[in-house]
Amino acid sequence: DTGVSQDPRHKITKRGQNVTFRCDPISEHNRLYWYRQTLGQGPEFLTYFQNEAQLEKSRLLSDRFSAERPKGSFSTLEIQRTEQGDSAMYLCASSLEADRDYLNYEQYFGPGTRLTVT
Amino acid sequence: GNSVTQMEGPVTLSEEAFLTINCTYTATGYPSLFWYVQYPGEGLQLLLKATKADDKGSNKGFEATYRKETTSFHLEKGSVQVSDSAVYFCALSVNNNDMRFGAGTRLTVKP
Repeated sequence: DTGVSQDPRHKITKRGQNVTFRCDPISEHNRLYWYRQTLGQGPEFLTYFQNEAQLEKSRLLSDRFSAERPKGSFSTLEIQRTEQGDSAMYLCASSLEADRDYLNYEQYFGPGTRLTVT
Repeated sequence: GNSVTQMEGPVTLSEEAFLTINCTYTATGYPSLFWYVQYPGEGLQLLLKATKADDKGSNKGFEATYRKETTSFHLEKGSVQVSDSAVYFCALSVNNNDMRFGAGTRLTVKP
């Protein structure tokens, strides 16, 4: 088990460009989460999937943000028409949801993708 | 809504000092509570958790007790080490859905 991986680790883009980030969760995990973390703040929840279904997306920051998990394995987060305010660390996490198993619930985080919009 | 408020940092301590980082929460329903740690250059790692009132989570000498009456989950360690220098995040989750994090507290331990 190699843990949650994210690619790229760093992305520098010009304002107005589109960017896409990839997350590969732990292989047996059925839930996948995306967060944004700005400097000096805790992670801010964006969206999550259970298998390929996106169960919550109302917290995506604007309609420029979208996420997919087409086969229930890896996921992509896309930001269209990037703005300087999108500069942040984008974190992915995964967990195993098994019949409301609260005792063993834990989200495992990837190293993040740092986005800089110039 | 659900939220977490944690003690602002930064916190600087000498090695072997006692550590407390305060965390209080607001939640509808019955949240699970977590402390995550982020060491320099690394991703977030779960440090400890508690899933119901009066539970005590513990790991690596750190402890936190889920106090429903005071809606708190304060992190404590009796004797900190230089290697404990990191950013600590308190978090809650209701129904295993989105995790709500505090702003983080940066701890620096000096030898």
